[in-house]
Amino acid sequence: QSVLTQPPSTSGTPGQRVTISCSGSSSNIGSNTVNWYQQLPGKAPKLLIHSNNQRPPGVPDRFSGSKSGTSASLAISGLLSEDEADYYCAAWDDSLNGYVFGTGTKVTVL
Amino acid sequence: QVQLVQSGAEVKKPGASVKVSCKASGYTFTGYYIHWVRQAPGHGLEWVGWIFPNNGATTYAQKFQGRVTMTRDTSISTAYMDLGRLKPDDTAVYYCVRDGVSGGAFDIWGQGTMVTVSS
Repeated sequence: QSVLTQPPSTSGTPGQRVTISCSGSSSNIGSNTVNWYQQLPGKAPKLLIHSNNQRPPGVPDRFSGSKSGTSASLAISGLLSEDEADYYCAAWDDSLNGYVFGTGTKVTVL
Repeated sequence: QVQLVQSGAEVKKPGASVKVSCKASGYTFTGYYIHWVRQAPGHGLEWVGWIFPNNGATTYAQKFQGRVTMTRDTSISTAYMDLGRLKPDDTAVYYCVRDGVSGGAFDIWGQGTMVTVSS
């Protein structure tokens, strides 16, 4: 059972900007950094954003992350067809003493 | 290159145990935490636990405590996850992942191991 809540789906046309929210609590997002993962169909997840807003090498700057209080968000600007995937937020939870993932958001490019 | 290579698919009966291996290469195995994450068909990601290969320390998700054991063999840079008393809803792809930055930033993922639990 996920403790980080994301919208089930979102969509956009090529070139648009879409944002994905991730809502948590004081024990996870409120006190730890947030990471984001992209999972293309049939593939293993890939680290997209770490430490709230840092992109690993090779991740396009179309992807950006932010955090405020107990919520975080991922923005994808200049949407491309190749961005069609599932996206998960994640963070350490001090109360559970474990790592928690978001419920996941499916991004569809129309 | 830096990679994690996992063992192959498994089919088990309810009540049995499964042991999945994860061989690291291209980096210092003892320098990074290894986590295990699973994904049931059509579902999201679920964290199982971690092991620190340097000293063998472990932490497991509450849901799996008593049923999972994570170990490592530093001589062959390999981590293992042993899950016992399997149930049908343990059917999932199990991934080993490297915590490459800190705070659970999983930068390297294994290819995944499909574990099917069925009578």
